[in-house]
Amino acid sequence: AQSVAQPEDQVNVAEGNPLTVKCTYSVSGNPYLFWYVQYPNRGLQFLLKYITGDNLVKGSYGFEAEFNKSQTSFHLKKPSALVSDSALYFCAVRNRGSTLGRLYFGRGTQLTVWP
Amino acid sequence: DAGVIQSPRHEVTEMGQEVTLRCKPISGHNSLFWYRQTMMRGLELLIYFNNNVPIDDSGMPEDRFSAKMPNASFSTLKIQPSEPRDSAVYFCASNPTGDVTDTQYFGPGTRLTVL
Repeated sequence: AQSVAQPEDQVNVAEGNPLTVKCTYSVSGNPYLFWYVQYPNRGLQFLLKYITGDNLVKGSYGFEAEFNKSQTSFHLKKPSALVSDSALYFCAVRNRGSTLGRLYFGRGTQLTVWP
Repeated sequence: DAGVIQSPRHEVTEMGQEVTLRCKPISGHNSLFWYRQTMMRGLELLIYFNNNVPIDDSGMPEDRFSAKMPNASFSTLKIQPSEPRDSAVYFCASNPTGDVTDTQYFGPGTRLTVL
């Protein structure tokens, strides 16, 4: 079975501070991990993914995520938050057994960056 | 590239009416996914297709829901008869090949309100 947990429904940070949105996963075998962002009244937009190689993955809008196999985590980070980063963030996972590209999503974390 | 296209963007209907949601995947993409998003249940996978063939429809909530993909460039999700609890945002997404490393691309969604 494959699953993703986003332990925080909400994260609040001040503009200019670093932000972290947490994600842990459960899969059998090697995971392929993704982060998506959803702005109000919009579809999900791809931010970044980990497939193999360097554990630190850099993505769009200055976001990065670190794959930690021992802790089965893939936390999303940004050194300096912007008010415009306020959105709903989804972590998702596949493994080699995933049928035809199906993604398993977490429930999402609402990020609010206040001025 | 126009991205995944969904229509209509908004639909308001009365209970008991038939509703048809439409999706055009990104040209050349082989896999297509229908999701439903609500506050209560988050993002749910309803059904997905590969090469126009339905692969897994176990997420379809009831027999009132049906989906088709008559060709590689078009899919529909139909609800008949609709009920107020079907009110949600429905997303369509597509993958290039169905490979586990694929990025999944989402459409803007259809916001359905059933009165």
